[in-house]
Amino acid sequence: DVKVTQSSRYLVKRTGEKVFLECVQDMDHENMFWYRQDPGLGLRLIYFSYDVKMKEKGDIPEGYSVSREKKERFSLILESASTNQTSMYLCASRGGQGTDTQYFGPGTRLTVL
Amino acid sequence: ILNVEQSPQSLHVQEGDSTNFTCSFPSSNFYALHWYRWETAKSPEALFVMTLNGDEKKKGRISATLNTKEGYSYLYIKGSQPEDSATYLCAFLGSARQLTFGSGTQLTVLP
Repeated sequence: DVKVTQSSRYLVKRTGEKVFLECVQDMDHENMFWYRQDPGLGLRLIYFSYDVKMKEKGDIPEGYSVSREKKERFSLILESASTNQTSMYLCASRGGQGTDTQYFGPGTRLTVL
Repeated sequence: ILNVEQSPQSLHVQEGDSTNFTCSFPSSNFYALHWYRWETAKSPEALFVMTLNGDEKKKGRISATLNTKEGYSYLYIKGSQPEDSATYLCAFLGSARQLTFGSGTQLTVLP
């Protein structure tokens, strides 16, 4: 059974804190993604990675960075959290083809106070 | 940024009703159209990946059609059940090879 796990389901942080969101997949997938989801908006791509140590900006990368040191792990970093980064964050992974299914983690609901 | 639109935004139906909703997407540089179901407190789950114009896919009571020339896909649910209540997301895969998601249709099936 394929699995994408995220380190926390719920997280509360204060403005200015550094925040790490971790994602692990067990499917040996090359591609991994970070999205955020806000009411009334679709899933918006923050960053993605198509290989270890490789990263590409998505549609809304400002205020975020990522790290992929191992194939199975993709981390999203908020260098200095702000209230407008309060959101649901979803990680996903996918095999080599763009037409392959993406598998999602359960999401992390982050609140920045 | 590509425009992927879903309608309606939300929908309430009675148990046993059949329903359908729409995803519209750019008709150029098309590679695939994905449908996902996202139930509350769970991960989004893939329903279909559609690649060919005229494609029809079926999974139990749920089916989908694809028209790449005019840029739309329909998702149909026959005989809706309360367990079908979820947000249904479509996502367009274009030449950039990354999925662009619509904002979803939130379906509530009333018993």
